[in-house]
Amino acid sequence: DAGVTQSPTHLIKTRGQQVTLRCSPISGHKSVSWYQQVLGQGPQFIFQYYEKEERGRGNFPDRFSARQFPNYSSELNVNALLLGDSALYLCASSLVPDHYNEQFFGPGTRLTVL
Amino acid sequence: AQKITQTQPGMFVQEKEAVTLDCTYDTSDQSYGLFWYKQPSSGEMIFLIYQGSYDEQNATEGRYSLNFQKARKSANLVISASQLGDSAMYFCAMRADSGYSTLTFGKGTMLLVSP
Repeated sequence: DAGVTQSPTHLIKTRGQQVTLRCSPISGHKSVSWYQQVLGQGPQFIFQYYEKEERGRGNFPDRFSARQFPNYSSELNVNALLLGDSALYLCASSLVPDHYNEQFFGPGTRLTVL
Repeated sequence: AQKITQTQPGMFVQEKEAVTLDCTYDTSDQSYGLFWYKQPSSGEMIFLIYQGSYDEQNATEGRYSLNFQKARKSANLVISASQLGDSAMYFCAMRADSGYSTLTFGKGTMLLVSP
């Protein structure tokens, strides 16, 4: 079975631009979470979606938005990019969003903002 | 709110030796889970081991074991018989069963295994 997939793998944008990152969860998984990992730090929670509804949001500005589709795939959008948005963006999926269920991570999208 | 502290920025170990990576946590929740992930230079987070707050026995997965001391709020990872392929960043994380359950990560420990 395929694991969590993310696209694109790498992305270079300039300040002020907008970016869309995509994630496909493991088949059967209904919950998707997004994390931002700045160089030298642990991942930080951005969003969690379950059954197409936003269940949680981390401490990120409104420039960050996301959605989950009927097939449980998800998109993360970032508007008005800043240099500080350069990071590895990780998507994780789980069957349901409770602490008994392991989160499986994708390979991430490396975003560079120039 | 949850907090994870990993005080070792880097650790060195020789091949075939055991190594312990420290992790302490803070939470007011009674029900929670503790995780360890390995992140090689490729970036993908690889799940290693899980410990539930109500589990009475320490979790083990092959060469990985989790030394869970609930009263001290510590969840150290022990890797036995280190291999060169174990060189990577290691993250401790927790997930509480309150509100929405997401992972809170520590800053990580870089493990280098030498021949």
